[in-house]
Amino acid sequence: DVKVTQSSRYLVKRTGEKVFLECVQDMDHENMFWYRQDPGLGLRLIYFSYDVKMKEKGDIPEGYSVSREKKERFSLILESASTNQTSMYLCASSSSDRGPNYGYTFGSGTRLTVV
Amino acid sequence: RKEVEQDPGPFNVPEGATVAFNCTYSNSASQSFFWYRQDCRKEPKLLMSVYSSGNEDGRFTAQLNRASQYISLLIRDSKLSDSATYLCVVPGRGSGYSTLTFGKGTMLLVSP
Repeated sequence: DVKVTQSSRYLVKRTGEKVFLECVQDMDHENMFWYRQDPGLGLRLIYFSYDVKMKEKGDIPEGYSVSREKKERFSLILESASTNQTSMYLCASSSSDRGPNYGYTFGSGTRLTVV
Repeated sequence: RKEVEQDPGPFNVPEGATVAFNCTYSNSASQSFFWYRQDCRKEPKLLMSVYSSGNEDGRFTAQLNRASQYISLLIRDSKLSDSATYLCVVPGRGSGYSTLTFGKGTMLLVSP
């Protein structure tokens, strides 16, 4: 089975801190994604990457950046955490070869609280 | 029309009931669609992919109506374990890359 691993299940950070959320997948997928999920708003795409060192903005990139130095790892960075970034963060990956018909595989999520 | 719209529910049904969820989408060029299931405090997991007019997997049937731009999910003989939020998912707009846009989900509660 494809496995997508997020480094932390729960995280509490202070306002203004720089926060790194790590995601690793073990199936050699080309595409990786970061979403946040909030009650009433559903999943919203922050950034995605379709190759090493490549990145594309999603729907809500403000306040975030990403890094993809290796194919298996996709990091989400909160440059200066704010309370409105308190959320569940979900990483996902997919294969370009198999096309979009096979959907995504998600990590188990990181629940970030900014105080 | 929003990219993906779903009735948030909750749908409260007894065990054994048949329940159907609908989802409408705006991008008429979309080719592939998905239903994901998300349990409370868990990550979404792929339930079914939807091609052409639809497909069936055991108690679950997904149908696609391209003319009206809606997708449906039918669950027969509901089980307690079917209680979850069901997310309708369509290809994302623009770019051409493999992004997906998720609906906000429909909550299903199956009671004994």
